[in-house]
Amino acid sequence: GAGVSQSPSNKVTEKGKDVELRCDPISGHTALYWYRQSLGQGLEFLIYFQGNSAPDKSGLPSDRFSAERTGGSVSTLTIQRTQQEDSAVYLCASSLDEGTYEQYFGPGTRLTVT
Amino acid sequence: QKEVEQDPGPLSVPEGAIVSLNCTYSNSAFQYFMWYRQYSRKGPELLMYTYSSGNKEDGRFTAQVDKSSKYISLFIRDSQPSDSATYLCAMPRSSASKIIFGSGTRLSIRP
Repeated sequence: GAGVSQSPSNKVTEKGKDVELRCDPISGHTALYWYRQSLGQGLEFLIYFQGNSAPDKSGLPSDRFSAERTGGSVSTLTIQRTQQEDSAVYLCASSLDEGTYEQYFGPGTRLTVT
Repeated sequence: QKEVEQDPGPLSVPEGAIVSLNCTYSNSAFQYFMWYRQYSRKGPELLMYTYSSGNKEDGRFTAQVDKSSKYISLFIRDSQPSDSATYLCAMPRSSASKIIFGSGTRLSIRP
């Protein structure tokens, strides 16, 4: 079946511009997670959704970062006024529900801020 | 001290060798342990998971947990060039939303 998809796969943007990253989870998965992975680093948790609600936004690094999820499906991560330190791979994962540990990842969006 | 420590490697071994990948953790409350494999420019994929101490085998892969030492291992037998990837250990802290990932060990299998 279809896995988690993310778009775009690559994004190059100028410092100060806003970007939107999209995630399509596995059909039927109610929990959705956003992570950031910098070169040589582990996965940094950003936010998770159960349905359309975000019970845990604790990982968002600043108020320039926001995310929403609609229809219990697609999610968008928005970064406003991008900075060079925002350059990273942004990974989305989904799981059957918030109580299930096994998460399934998308291929990621590689963001480069110039 | 990080909650989960993992040697970043790189680890390079010849094809057919047995590979041992390891993580240590500091939180004795961790009860569930996962290994993910991440190929270059791809997302991590779940390889194995285990609840308990001891060994769990799946084909050429064996996951081992020693809770008394707070140490987990992933063994790969008869390693293949296609096993070349970064391997990340992962443990839920208290809920599925609080999964702590190791930084990953980069593995290269030489033909």
